[in-house]
Amino acid sequence: GENVEQHPSTLSVQEGDSAVIKCTYSDSASNYFPWYKQELGKRPQLIIDIRSNVGEKKDQRIAVTLNKTAKHFSLHITETQPEDSAVYFCAASRNRINNAGNMLTFGGGTRLMVKP
Amino acid sequence: DGGITQSPKYLFRKEGQNVTLSCEQNLNHDAMYWYRQDPGQGLRLIYYSQIVNDFQKGDIAEGYSVSREKKESFPLTVTSAQKNPTAFYLCASSTIGGVYNEQFFGPGTRLTVL
Repeated sequence: GENVEQHPSTLSVQEGDSAVIKCTYSDSASNYFPWYKQELGKRPQLIIDIRSNVGEKKDQRIAVTLNKTAKHFSLHITETQPEDSAVYFCAASRNRINNAGNMLTFGGGTRLMVKP
Repeated sequence: DGGITQSPKYLFRKEGQNVTLSCEQNLNHDAMYWYRQDPGQGLRLIYYSQIVNDFQKGDIAEGYSVSREKKESFPLTVTSAQKNPTAFYLCASSTIGGVYNEQFFGPGTRLTVL
């Protein structure tokens, strides 16, 4: 099955700096890569996703890049703010089951701390 | 924060007892999922269901059971066979049939075995 590895496990940056989180996946058939943000004690929420037919996607201060050949994808946060502090999870979609949904395999998470 | 709810928020269980976690959604989603989250680890899939009265095992189904009698509800039972049940449990739901289906998460239930 799919295996997703995420690095680093913790990341501390100064406010205003950039943060980069990297993930690798093992299943070359994976074609959907969402990123979730989980604030302390709260539910994970989708912040951005990328599909295998696109190499890069940007949404304001957040961008995600995908390298299908190397099987890795990254989350980039620019101009970090204290409210960006949270745990971030990457995920990769495994085989679609009877065309009926995406089974996600998650990375281990990155705890991002933005110091004011 | 509506749409998908879980109860209770905190749950304490004695060893050897079964306990059931509730998950309800009013998003009219066909698919529902249960994940387990341990400190420093990602989310691991326990069970999922894509249609009423049908469900499939995920990566760590041993010691858990589910039912899907209604589209809106997908309760998870943690049985006494689960060796290490203390964890944070997240329920999610999504549409099906599209190319990519975002999963929406509930607020979670923190289970502690005493």
